[in-house]
Amino acid sequence: EIVLTQSPGTLSLSPGERVTLSCRASQSVSSSYLAWYQQKPGQAPRLLIYGASSRATGIPDRFSGSGSGTDFTLTISRLEPEDFAVYYCQQYGRSPLTFGGGTKVEIK
Amino acid sequence: EVQLLESGGGLVQPGGSLRLSCAASGFTFSTYAMTWVRQAPGKGLEWVSGLSGEDVTTYYADSVRGRFTISRDNSKNTLYLQMNSLRAEDTAVYYCARRGTYFDLWGRGTLVTVSS
Repeated sequence: EIVLTQSPGTLSLSPGERVTLSCRASQSVSSSYLAWYQQKPGQAPRLLIYGASSRATGIPDRFSGSGSGTDFTLTISRLEPEDFAVYYCQQYGRSPLTFGGGTKVEIK
Repeated sequence: EVQLLESGGGLVQPGGSLRLSCAASGFTFSTYAMTWVRQAPGKGLEWVSGLSGEDVTTYYADSVRGRFTISRDNSKNTLYLQMNSLRAEDTAVYYCARRGTYFDLWGRGTLVTVSS
C-alpha cells in the first residue's frame, strides 16, 4: 500500500498569501497518478487537480499542482477567503487507492 | 444537473446490516466506474470499494473485503453498497463518487453509525 504523508498538518495564513502544500509518497506514484481535493466543513470533497498537474473543470488558475515520483505539491498562488479548508492528496496509480491525512489551511 | 445522491444511512447495531444507495443523474451512468469513499467523524478520507462501468469488476479495501458488496443497476442509474457484519469502526459518512481513479463528482454523503 502506498502511504501518502501530507505536511504540514495545519497552516495558519492570511488572505492574499501564497501557500504550498506537500504530499510525499512511500513509493513512486506511477505516471503521476496523483490528485488533490478540497473539503470544507460539512461538505463533500471537491476535485482540484488530477494527473499531478491538470486542473479539474471550473477550478481557478490560482490552484496549481506539480511533482512526480514520490514528491508532489499543491500551490495556491494567492489565498482567497473561500480557500480556507482541508486539502487531501490521493494516489490512483496502485491499488488500494489511498489518501493523505490532509492539511488544514486556516485563517491566521 | 449532474449529481449523485446517497441514501440508506442510519443507526445500526454491531453485527447488523445496511444497504446504501447512490442515485446518479445528468450523465451516462453506465459508462463510468464508480466508487465508495468513507470518512469517520473528524478523520480523513478512506477508499472503500470500486466498481467498473460495464464489466462489473469489483475492488475492495482490506478493511471491508468479505463484509461489504458493491453493485450497480445501470437501468436505474444507481450504485449500491451492501454492508454486513458492521463494526463500530465502520461508523462514517459514506460518499459515492464518479470514476475509479480520481473522483470528479461526489455526492453529499450519508451517515452510518454503528452502535449499541
